[in-house]
Amino acid sequence: QVHLVESGGGVVQPGRSLRLSCVASGFNFQINGMFWVRQAPGKGLEWVAAISFDGTTKYPADSVKGRFTMSRDNSRNTVYLQMNSLRREDTAVYYCAKRGRDGYIDYWGQGTLVTVSS
Amino acid sequence: EIVMTQSPGTLSVSPGEGATVTCRASQYISTNLAWYQHKRGQAPRLLIYGASTRETGTPARFSGSGSGTEFTLAISSLQSEDFAVYYCHQYNDWPGTFGQGTKVETK
Repeated sequence: QVHLVESGGGVVQPGRSLRLSCVASGFNFQINGMFWVRQAPGKGLEWVAAISFDGTTKYPADSVKGRFTMSRDNSRNTVYLQMNSLRREDTAVYYCAKRGRDGYIDYWGQGTLVTVSS
Repeated sequence: EIVMTQSPGTLSVSPGEGATVTCRASQYISTNLAWYQHKRGQAPRLLIYGASTRETGTPARFSGSGSGTEFTLAISSLQSEDFAVYYCHQYNDWPGTFGQGTKVETK
């Protein structure tokens, strides 16, 4: 059974940094691409970053380019989202998600809340 | 970037009635489209991929159709557990883009 467990969320001041983690289990992690997707209060889903199975190709969304970096450690079955220069508009629930065979998302974590506030 | 335009924003439906959500892509995406259901406080759930293939466990009352740029999610005879927000997601150019979401609420 696939499990994705996010951690690292919390309250942080604008301009500061935070690192999210997602531990995966129940599937062959090292052959699957992964996503981070967020949902701001009252808004829809927005993909934030994605990474290839081996970590060599990364896809940051325009809204976070230059501030957020996604990485992975296949030896630990873990993906990370390093978030720097946080802004109030980055306040959201952040979901870790697994890429399905053709590129859709077939599994999602429960999410971790990030609140950017002074 | 491929823009996904989803409509309507909100759909008010009585239990037992049907509902239809539409998603339009700004460019050709073949059948590289998925639909997700999202309930408050829960993880989103994959319902349909490949525009029309139901994920394991998706009830038969959910059906997807379309190709190219026009896609539809149809829910026949809504059950209480179907009231949620639905999103389309094109993955033709990975990671893709999401539609804005359609809230299906009780009339």
